[in-house]
Amino acid sequence: AQKVTQAQTEISVVEKEDVTLDCVYETRDTTYYLFWYKQPPSGELVFLIRRNSFDEQNEISGRYSWNFQKSTSSFNFTITASQVVDSAVYFCALSEAWTNAGKSTFGDGTTLTVKP
Amino acid sequence: GAGVSQSPSNKVTEKGKDVELRCDPISGHTALYWYRQSLGQGLEFLIYFQGNSAPDKSGLPSDRFSAERTGGSVSTLTIQRTQQEDSAVYLCASSLTGSRDTQYFGPGTRLTVL
Repeated sequence: AQKVTQAQTEISVVEKEDVTLDCVYETRDTTYYLFWYKQPPSGELVFLIRRNSFDEQNEISGRYSWNFQKSTSSFNFTITASQVVDSAVYFCALSEAWTNAGKSTFGDGTTLTVKP
Repeated sequence: GAGVSQSPSNKVTEKGKDVELRCDPISGHTALYWYRQSLGQGLEFLIYFQGNSAPDKSGLPSDRFSAERTGGSVSTLTIQRTQQEDSAVYLCASSLTGSRDTQYFGPGTRLTVL
């Protein structure tokens, strides 16, 4: 079954701290896609990153970095030197290529609060 | 270019009434998705369309919910005989060809059933 677990419901940090948001997924497909989305207080979900199951290279984009490890079925997201504007709900999502093609499963989200 | 748009942005209705929620996807996107997000909760998958067809309707909560898509573009989610538990934000997203692609989300319709 397709499943995404974001164990951290809420995280609170002080500005400039580094923070890692965990995402663990379950799938039987060998081909699948992983995503992270950000939902700021304004409400609209914004795409952050997409990864396919064959690309385990970690990625860095400015203060954001992602660590994809198939061995532990994890796709963790790290924000370096957090800022108040990073405060949002972050969702990890999984799409399978075959078994549930077309359906995306989202985790319950992690609410990140960055305090000045 | 234009993103995904949804209307209305807010809808207040009385229990038992029918409501229609509209989604205009990004032009050229063949896949369209509907999700429901209750207060402080994650995204609950409702249905997706590939063109005008809905291969997977398994997420619709009950037979009071239905959706259609016409011309491979606009989609309407209809909730009949609304109940208070239907109160939520209904999100629409579209992607270029399918769920392997990035989904672009609309601003949502906040539905309140009194």
